[in-house]
This record gives sequence, C-alpha cells and structure tokens, in this order.
Amino acid sequence: DTGVSQNPRHKITKRGQNVTFRCDPISEHNRLYWYRQTLGQGPEFLTYFQNEAQLEKSRLLSDRFSAERPKGSFSTLEIQRTEQGDSAMYLCASSLGQSSYNSPLHFGNGTRLTVT
Amino acid sequence: GENVEQHPSTLSVQEGDSAVIKCTYSDSASNYFPWYKQELGKRPQLIIDIRSNVGEKKDQRIAVTLNKTAKHFSLHITETQPEDSAVYFCAASTPRTGGGADGLTFGKGTHLIIQP
Repeated sequence: DTGVSQNPRHKITKRGQNVTFRCDPISEHNRLYWYRQTLGQGPEFLTYFQNEAQLEKSRLLSDRFSAERPKGSFSTLEIQRTEQGDSAMYLCASSLGQSSYNSPLHFGNGTRLTVT
Repeated sequence: GENVEQHPSTLSVQEGDSAVIKCTYSDSASNYFPWYKQELGKRPQLIIDIRSNVGEKKDQRIAVTLNKTAKHFSLHITETQPEDSAVYFCAASTPRTGGGADGLTFGKGTHLIIQP
C-alpha cells in the first residue's frame, strides 16, 4: 500500500505526558495537512505544510501543539502536556501540486489518541 | 472562514432506494467540493468531487450536483447497497492567496444506513 501512512495507530497516554505522531505522505506529494476528528464530527483542519514550510496553523492548534516536516517528506505532530480534551483521531493527508482544486487530498488511517 | 452545514445527520433507506445528502457552504470563493466516505475505524476515502465550473458530475451510482448561486451541493446515491453504509462527509475548499492552505472545511457528516 503506497498510501499515506500514520504511526502509531493507537496511543493511550496519561494526562500531562507528551506524545508524538508520525505521518509519511504519498511519495512526492508536496502538500501535507494535519486534521483532528472527534466522535460524530468531521475532520477539523490543524495545520498545513508545503514541502518543508509550515504555511498555516488553525486557531485550534494551541501552543502545546507543534508540527514539523524537516525534509519535506514525513511529518511529526507533537502534543505537550496532554489534556483529556486532546483525545481524538489525528488524521494526516497529502496531495500533489499547487491546490486542492487540482489535486485531491488523500488521508491516512489516523492515530487515535486517548488521554486518561 | 468557510462554514459547511450538512444534512441530515442520519439517513436510513431501504436497499435499492436512493439516498440524498445535502450541504451548504458560506464562502462564495470556494471552488472545490469533494465527498468522502468513512467506514468505522477507517480513513476518509474520496468517492467523488466537483469543481465550481461544473454543475453536475456522475460516476456510476453516485452523482453530485452543485448550485453556486444558492451555495449548496448534494450527493445522490442510487440503487443503494449494504456496502454503501458508512458516514459521508462533504467538504469545501477555498483558494487562498499568499501560499496559505486551501485545506478542506468539512461538514459534520451523515450516517447512512442501508436497511436490507
């Protein structure tokens, strides 16, 4: 499967701990997005990379969240001092080209985070 | 920012009947409207999309219509089958200037249930 790969699939952590997720986009996709999805809701945009540059961050992305894409390939999303409200599915998506208009987003299977 | 409303939240139809899911969007600049199907525990998968220069698009049993004046678009599934049971999300993408994300804004989803 050469689709978007996310690790781990599941993460259970205690409140206050730090967690890091990884996303490997489809090879050669220059655009990478992070979304968060809670039960019964659609995915909500968190942040966006074009190659290695982080070009936009949502207001949902508090200071405890940081994302990187150091070489323009894989990306990591770190949550520091996790809170129970951070429990959600974190989805990564990638696409190729200049805009969604010309190239649709392909999603990974997500990382399900549970904060106890 | 863009706001996408989706109705109904749950839709139950008899196998073989048609299903229609409707979405409205707020930003008249939005120009790309995909529909994603998400089965339990799996990634959202693109099933059909439509761009603002087209009013209707069909792919076998699935069709999407777009009314730019009214700012609404709809998904139509004919001859529904048990495997169509899933959550369906509509989304809208607004082009950005200056390299910002044109990430998708999703509706809250419709749980489609196909009754045998």
